Parts: sequence; C-alpha cells; structure tokens
Amino acid sequence: DQQVKQNSPSLSVQEGRISILNCDYTNSMFDYFLWYKKYPAEGPTFLISISSIKDKNEDGRFTVFLNKSAKHLSLHIVPSQPGDSAVYFCAAGTGGGADGLTFGKGTHLIIQP
Amino acid sequence: NAGVMQNPRHLVRRRGQEARLRCSPVKGHSHVYWYRQLPEEGLKFMVYLQKENIIDESGMPKERFSAEFPKEGPSILRIQQVVRGDSAAYFCASSPQGRTNYGYTFGSGTRLTVV
Repeated sequence: DQQVKQNSPSLSVQEGRISILNCDYTNSMFDYFLWYKKYPAEGPTFLISISSIKDKNEDGRFTVFLNKSAKHLSLHIVPSQPGDSAVYFCAAGTGGGADGLTFGKGTHLIIQP
Repeated sequence: NAGVMQNPRHLVRRRGQEARLRCSPVKGHSHVYWYRQLPEEGLKFMVYLQKENIIDESGMPKERFSAEFPKEGPSILRIQQVVRGDSAAYFCASSPQGRTNYGYTFGSGTRLTVV
C-alpha cells in the first residue's frame, strides 16, 4: 500500500515557466512533508519542507502548498531553470522525528530550453 | 568534506556472498538512517540508528540484514547471503538530532549488484 503517491512519472516544462509537481498521501498521521531533488548517481538533496500546521512555505523559487483536507501537496518552482531538471521526491513523516520518512516514487522534471 | 560519505560507490557480489556497506555521517551527526531504492521505485526506509543503538528497524528485512553504528567508526549495513533481489541503491542519511522535519543529509549511495 503506497502511502505517498506521485502520479506523474515525468513532467516537461519550458524554461522560465512554472513547474508544478504534485503529491498525494493517505496516512492522516503524517504531519510534516518534505521535497527532495535527486540527480543521477547522487543522493537526494533536501529542498523544502512544510509542517501540517501551515498551508504554504516559500524559499526563493520554491513554494510548497499543503491541502490537508485533500491530503495533497504540491511543489511550485518559478521560474524553472535548466538546472532544475532532476527527479523530485515527495516524502512524509510523523511528528517528533525519530522515525523514517515515507517517499513517493518520484517525478522526473525536464526543463526544455 | 562535510558530507555523508558512503563506500564503496559500487559493489558487485555473487549470490550467497556477504555485502558490507559503510556510511560515515556528517561530522557531529549522531543519527544515521539507511534507505533502499529499488529500480523505478522511491526510497524505502530500512533502519534508524544512534551511536551504539538501533532506534527503529521496522523497515529492515527480518533475515540476512543487520545494521550497526558503533561508538567509533562508520555505520555498517550488512547483507548476508545476498540474492538477486538485493540489487538496489542503498542510501545513508545523517542528522544532528532525531528530527527529520528540516531534512537530513544523504550520501551518494552504494549501488549493489548481485550476479
């Protein structure tokens, strides 16, 4: 049973436009969410996180939105740049840390010049 | 280098052999996590360790797999009698404390191939 789902295996966006990556979850116990970026042959790199008490968190070009009622979160990247081409993983965890994260399968973002 | 160091980067083992994967956390980090990524899959949590303690091994297969994080030295993920299904990328992550909501630091992974 997949508790964190990223239904788009890939997404192609033109450089300069907005990239929107989506993630759905089923476990209502999750209370914080993270996005990681991964290049081939490298480990994931933390991008941005959001606690369930918020509905938006922004860091530079990256904004994460959380809709708890819909159990849905999204990552917005604007403007998209060629270096943003990578696989993006959505992850979720329960409060207090000291536990592992549950990851989605990832979305491969391709930024077209 | 302040990052998480994993070695080897690539490891080839024949079926039935043992695989040992090493992880040196970021200096000062006392919490280590191991994840496995199968082809076309997301990362799956395996085990969470602190120095000399296993905190959560709920994601670890019950047989053949073990992990340790000794007082001195790197964390070790050990797979005995490897099978083809163990072929995957194994990632280690570390954090200074047992909270992951700010994101912990991953290493570059060890790619295990069982032939």
